[in-house]
Amino acid sequence: NAGVTQTPKFQVLKTGQSMTLQCAQDMNHNSMYWYRQDPGMGLRLIYYSASEGTTDKGEVPNGYNVSRLNKREFSLRLESAAPSQTSVYFCASSGARTLTLSYNEQFFGPGTRLTVL
Amino acid sequence: AQSVSQHNHHVILSEAASLELGCNYSYGGTVNLFWYVQYPGQHLQLLLKYFSGDPLVKGIKGFEAEFIKSKFSFNLRKPSVQWSDTAEYFCAAFTLNNNDMRFGAGTRLTVKP
Repeated sequence: NAGVTQTPKFQVLKTGQSMTLQCAQDMNHNSMYWYRQDPGMGLRLIYYSASEGTTDKGEVPNGYNVSRLNKREFSLRLESAAPSQTSVYFCASSGARTLTLSYNEQFFGPGTRLTVL
Repeated sequence: AQSVSQHNHHVILSEAASLELGCNYSYGGTVNLFWYVQYPGQHLQLLLKYFSGDPLVKGIKGFEAEFIKSKFSFNLRKPSVQWSDTAEYFCAAFTLNNNDMRFGAGTRLTVKP
């Protein structure tokens, strides 16, 4: 099992350009997440998808869109990149939501380091 | 919305010293609690987790954490740190009600050989 994979690993954009970050998981997880990591701020949730076909905003959704293409894949799109979006982006997935909360450990991908000039 | 606070931004210890990293969360309902570690240049890995039951949980590499509900705390401990423990440590809390996962700002641990 590859776990959670992300592409690309690095990207440099100019202000106003668009791009899509790809994420895929092979653990048959229902939930998937996109975070950004900035120095001194930890990880902040951008969007999540609790199950195939649903997406919801997290703590910092402005400037981003997401698509849950199927159960495996969850992409993050920047329509018009801004320097404030320079960050490291992590995708994560977790298992089924249950009343016992026992499947909510998140598994993380290796991250995408994005620089917007 | 809930929040997670980590008290120390940067901790510097010598090898064999004991470690305690503080973590407090704000949500009053049922939460899952986690500690993740991020070694330099790597992605986050789970150290340990608390869902229910024994409030003292043991994780990998000799780490443990204690859930104290009355204090809304989940502090991470290790009796004797090693140089290889140099990393950034993140506390996180998950609430099922709104599928909300919040991370603390992280604590950078530097262990001097």
